[in-house]
Amino acid sequence: QSVLTQPPSVSGAPGQRVTISCTGSSSNIGAGYDVHWYQQLPGTAPKLLIYGNSNRPSGVPDRFSGSKSGTSASLAITGLQAEDEADYYCQSYDSSLSGSIFGTGTKVTVL
Amino acid sequence: EVQLVESGGGLVQPGGSLRLSCAASGFTFSSYEMNWVRQAPGKGLEWVSYISSSGSTIYYADSVKGRFTISRDNAKNSLYLQMNSLRAEDTAVYYCAREIRGKDAFDIWGQGTMVTVSS
Repeated sequence: QSVLTQPPSVSGAPGQRVTISCTGSSSNIGAGYDVHWYQQLPGTAPKLLIYGNSNRPSGVPDRFSGSKSGTSASLAITGLQAEDEADYYCQSYDSSLSGSIFGTGTKVTVL
Repeated sequence: EVQLVESGGGLVQPGGSLRLSCAASGFTFSSYEMNWVRQAPGKGLEWVSYISSSGSTIYYADSVKGRFTISRDNAKNSLYLQMNSLRAEDTAVYYCAREIRGKDAFDIWGQGTMVTVSS
């Protein structure tokens, strides 16, 4: 079964840089499909953070950046702030499923 | 304001049916592909279904194929999800989400509607 694997949790002190990995396979990220990232604050709907691997929608701070290489992608948060404490999900398209697939999710904790 | 508002969730017995609706406003609904995404309590996001802007192309996750039906009424700016033969594992918050044209990314989400399948 196709899956995008993320670390369950990452943490950092305010001001630090953290990265979240998203590992896929040859039917999704490795096939060249774009990766997108979402932030979900407790009790709210997901919010698009990065689309097309590295593009930020209007209003998203440039502290958030995305990259992709091979069968993996990464989200970096620099200058970590208390308000960044949330769950983060990657998403891509999977050709074997003919549909979207989400990552397992990563909880970011600001120490 | 660009907005999606879901409705129709509730408590239903196993084997029952429910129809979710998603009302769109603030944008040209007929120009956008739409999706349903769900999130079980305490779990991650799961893509459920996709429908093209005209409604001519539809896809489903294997977990709901044959039980759920996605549809849209562009004249009413509305998206629907007909859910039949519901199971306990379908219990989740259901979100409708707009897709950025040509990008497979979901830029606008509704607030979600809770579906609970229990006897």
